[in-house]
Amino acid sequence: QKEVEQDPGPLSVPEGAIVSLNCTYSNSAFQYFMWYRQYSRKGPELLMYTYSSGNKEDGRFTAQVDKSSKYISLFIRDSQPSDSATYLCAMGAQKLVFGQGTRLTINP
Amino acid sequence: ETGVTQSPTHLIKTRGQQVTLRCSSQSGHNTVSWYQQALGQGPQFIFQYYREEENGRGNFPPRFSGLQFPNYSSELNVNALELDDSALYLCASSSPGNEETQYFGPGTRLLVL
Repeated sequence: QKEVEQDPGPLSVPEGAIVSLNCTYSNSAFQYFMWYRQYSRKGPELLMYTYSSGNKEDGRFTAQVDKSSKYISLFIRDSQPSDSATYLCAMGAQKLVFGQGTRLTINP
Repeated sequence: ETGVTQSPTHLIKTRGQQVTLRCSSQSGHNTVSWYQQALGQGPQFIFQYYREEENGRGNFPPRFSGLQFPNYSSELNVNALELDDSALYLCASSSPGNEETQYFGPGTRLLVL
């Protein structure tokens, strides 16, 4: 079993929809949780960073962490075609453990 | 765009050869981590350098080695290349006290034939 599980998709939604991306994990020691966005043939770009449980909002993006369930989510409101990318969850501290990534396409 | 730069952008090598990849960290960042990202997968941690010393290593064989220089730039060296080493190699830097917040460069795409 992988330490971090993420559905690879692909996920395709119409422009303006709310997108929900999720990861589960097995290591209860994880305290830091990140979401990265990766465009094709580029490096990952840090989107959201959360410490421990709770919610964090930044513009159209909301990150949620539920440590009791070992489950994290990223919500994208009013999705745009420019949001089309692969979204990677990551957790840990010194060493980041990544999910496989979910490939998301927003259709105009 | 982050201030992390990597060179070269692309590289083609043959099995058994050796390769050196380079990374310049973002200004003010003294910690550099290297990751390997195979096609369709998430990045996997190779190792981290802090103050020119290896500061943690993932599940990679000793033929993967690295260096960090006094200006915090770093090199990743891979000896005896294997076909499975074909991947995107990513460098990430982080600032003192914020090692978990890592900013990635664009990566070096390595193809081993």
